[in-house]
Amino acid sequence: SQQGEEDPQALSIQEGENATMNCSYKTSINNLQWYRQNSGRGLVHLILIRSNEREKHSGRLRVTLDTSKKSSSLLITASRAADTASYFCATVGETSGSRLTFGEGTQLTVNP
Amino acid sequence: EAGVAQSPRYKIIEKRQSVAFWCNPISGHATLYWYQQILGQGPKLLIQFQNNGVVDDSQLPKDRFSAERLKGVDSTLKIQPAKLEDSAVYLCASSTFRRSGRSGANVLTFGAGSRLTVL
Repeated sequence: SQQGEEDPQALSIQEGENATMNCSYKTSINNLQWYRQNSGRGLVHLILIRSNEREKHSGRLRVTLDTSKKSSSLLITASRAADTASYFCATVGETSGSRLTFGEGTQLTVNP
Repeated sequence: EAGVAQSPRYKIIEKRQSVAFWCNPISGHATLYWYQQILGQGPKLLIQFQNNGVVDDSQLPKDRFSAERLKGVDSTLKIQPAKLEDSAVYLCASSTFRRSGRSGANVLTFGAGSRLTVL
């Protein structure tokens, strides 16, 4: 089964609003990553947060990690229509070697 | 730098036929991955190579799927014979990650994928 589970499965917002997506996982991790996938395309790496970090920023992206709750959140501020995509969290488990395991994703739609 | 190249982009076959997908990773990337992504789901790892050796093929259905990376550069994924449930996008990715190294993280660069439809 997949390590990560995203919530919500789908999110629809207006341009300029903030979008928050959550990811929960089951086992201890080395790091957690977020990827974006535009329709019909491959995945693009957005940001990585290590297990000893609590928050990271990259441009309009903010990621938090709570290892006690085994959860992470991705916040996209001031969303744009171009942010419309599927967002996946992926984890590297402490005991899974280097395997990157993806969740089922959140489909984000940003309406102009 | 050039990205991860995959071909073909689309393939339609009948069940029980065979199909092969090709991937050329980013130059210098030691590690290559094949993922299967069924519509509406997240990618699932099929096989991971480091150079020309297999690191992880625990989720590869070996009765019908095979993959090779003979010279440690490009790779081929084959399905024979195909089943209806193999309809999916097959994603190739590469990274600079090496298992022997203590530094670095496993950040993947993906190709655009090969979409397979089995009728």
